[in-house]
Amino acid sequence: DAGVTQSPTHLIKTRGQHVTLRCSPISGHKSVSWYQQVLGQGPQFIFQYYEKEERGRGNFPDRFSARQFPNYSSELNVNALLLGDSALYLCASSLVGSRRLNTGELFFGEGSRLTVL
Amino acid sequence: RKEVEQDPGPFNVPEGATVAFNCTYSNSASQSFFWYRQDCRKEPKLLMSVYSSGNEDGRFTAQLNRASQYISLLIRDSKLSDSATYLCAVKPNTGGFKTIFGAGTRLFVKA
Repeated sequence: DAGVTQSPTHLIKTRGQHVTLRCSPISGHKSVSWYQQVLGQGPQFIFQYYEKEERGRGNFPDRFSARQFPNYSSELNVNALLLGDSALYLCASSLVGSRRLNTGELFFGEGSRLTVL
Repeated sequence: RKEVEQDPGPFNVPEGATVAFNCTYSNSASQSFFWYRQDCRKEPKLLMSVYSSGNEDGRFTAQLNRASQYISLLIRDSKLSDSATYLCAVKPNTGGFKTIFGAGTRLFVKA
């Protein structure tokens, strides 16, 4: 089975531009989360979507937005890019509602590496 | 205070050594705990979940101490291939579905 897929894998933008990142979760997973990881830090939570509804939002400005589609894929949009937005953007899917003791294990895609010049 | 804190290391150990990492969390209501492994410029991958009773998977042992609000990861008989960054992750009971990660602990295993 295919894992979490993200596109594009690498992209370069300039300040003020807009970017759209895409993610397809593992088949059967209805929850998608987005994380930002800058060099030397752990992943920082941006959004979580479940059944097409936003269920969690991290401490990021309104320039960051996301949505989830009926097929459970997701997009992350960032407007008015700043140099500080340069990072690896990770998408993770999870099987929310599992009967396992510890639900919420995250399965990550390879990420989209964004460079803002 | 950060919600999840880890010693960034790096830990430099020889092959065959035993190494332990700790991770502290601030939210006492946290319910789920995980260790992830991240190789250089790769995505994090789940290493193991951490159960209240502790759990072991081969050379890896995870423990949870709710009273002191920390989790630990013990790696025995270190291999060169264990070199990576180990991320501690905590899923609070409140706050929706988000999982909070520590900054990671870097491990270098040398021949």
